[in-house]
Amino acid sequence: QVQLVESGGGMVQPGRSLRLSCAASGFTFSDYGIHWVRQAPGKGLEWVAVIWYDGSTKYYADSVKGRFTISRDNPKNMLYLQMNSLRAEDTAVYFCARDRLAFSINWFDHWGQGTLVTVSS
Amino acid sequence: DIQMTQSPSSVSASVGDRVTITCRASQGIISWLAWYQQRPGTAPKLLIYGASSLQSGVPSRFSGSGSGTDFTLTISGLQPEDFATYYCQQANIFPYTFGQGTKLEIK
Repeated sequence: QVQLVESGGGMVQPGRSLRLSCAASGFTFSDYGIHWVRQAPGKGLEWVAVIWYDGSTKYYADSVKGRFTISRDNPKNMLYLQMNSLRAEDTAVYFCARDRLAFSINWFDHWGQGTLVTVSS
Repeated sequence: DIQMTQSPSSVSASVGDRVTITCRASQGIISWLAWYQQRPGTAPKLLIYGASSLQSGVPSRFSGSGSGTDFTLTISGLQPEDFATYYCQQANIFPYTFGQGTKLEIK
């Protein structure tokens, strides 16, 4: 079955960096676009970034553009989110989520359990 | 960016009731809209995509409608497991955006 498992979260000081990982299994990873979505404590969902199935195209939320970089390693079935210049407002649970259909980008039908990132001094 | 506004922000209802949640986009998104359910401490679950298509495995008491800027999610015959928070999401233009959420509580 489809599984997405995030890791790499933790507590980090403002201005520092952190890299999140998402390990995928149970499907042909290289056929699907993958997103990062975050949720601040007690708040709603915020879409963060997406990467095309082949890594050719990436889009970011304005709030993270220039600071975060999404990437993937298809042979390893891994997705990454490099987060630089972290701010307190980046504190959230970060989910990776798979697109519903191969070779398309729109809805998220499988999600990981999330990893918590806390930015605090 | 496209702003998604849900109403109400919260609603109380009883088991067996019919509930309707509304989502309005700040500009037309055709039918590029999805609905998600999120229970506390868990990841969101896709319910409806393309404004009105039911995701596989989702009970038929959930239905979606609308196009352009105005959309609705209807739950007919509320079950205890339906009490959760619901989000709409537009997939017409990047950056994708979610509504602020509607919390469905037990009356």
